[in-house]
Amino acid sequence: AQTVTQSQPEMSVQEAETVTLSCTYDTSESDYYLFWYKQPPSRQMILVIRQEAYKQQNATENRFSVNFQKAAKSFSLKISDSQLGDAAMYFCAYSHYSNSGNTPLVFGKGTRLSVIA
Amino acid sequence: KAGVTQTPRYLIKTRGQQVTLSCSPISGHRSVSWYQQTPGQGLQFLFEYFSETQRNKGNFPGRFSGRQFSNSRSEMNVSTLELGDSALYLCASSLAGTYRTFFGPGTRLTVL
Repeated sequence: AQTVTQSQPEMSVQEAETVTLSCTYDTSESDYYLFWYKQPPSRQMILVIRQEAYKQQNATENRFSVNFQKAAKSFSLKISDSQLGDAAMYFCAYSHYSNSGNTPLVFGKGTRLSVIA
Repeated sequence: KAGVTQTPRYLIKTRGQQVTLSCSPISGHRSVSWYQQTPGQGLQFLFEYFSETQRNKGNFPGRFSGRQFSNSRSEMNVSTLELGDSALYLCASSLAGTYRTFFGPGTRLTVL
């Protein structure tokens, strides 16, 4: 079974600084997707960024970028120029394709990010 | 385009009762999934429906059930509620053939 591990329960960052959240995963599949979701206090889960395993290039979305190390099964999220609105729980998640469609998302336990003004 | 909607947003029940939660996916999305979120267990997959058929099921007891209607709206039911069922229940929808999953705001269920 696939597993996702986030080893940092809490992180903090100064406003305008850069922070990196860590995630490792375990799978025997070769073709899969990795995601970072943000859950602010409002509880609405929002997709931040997505990475296809077959792509070597790291995904970027504005201030958010990932460092995808397939051999090491590592998938970290870098937030640049941190803003107060970035404060939230961040979840790393995994899915892969199967004959019955996309497999359900497997989530890590989350990292609570605080942004200090 | 409207997002995923869930009703009700908050619910308080007592042990032994049953509850039904509703989810309306984004228009055009035929896949609807349900997740349970608790502080102790984190986010756990309950089940997924696609075109009215259950396609995947998580490791939850039979007290948890769901269904999907022809308009893709989905309901989940929990019978004989237990204190441990208190959680945030998240519904998510996705478009077939994509890996983009959109979540609703959740239903906060409290069992007393």
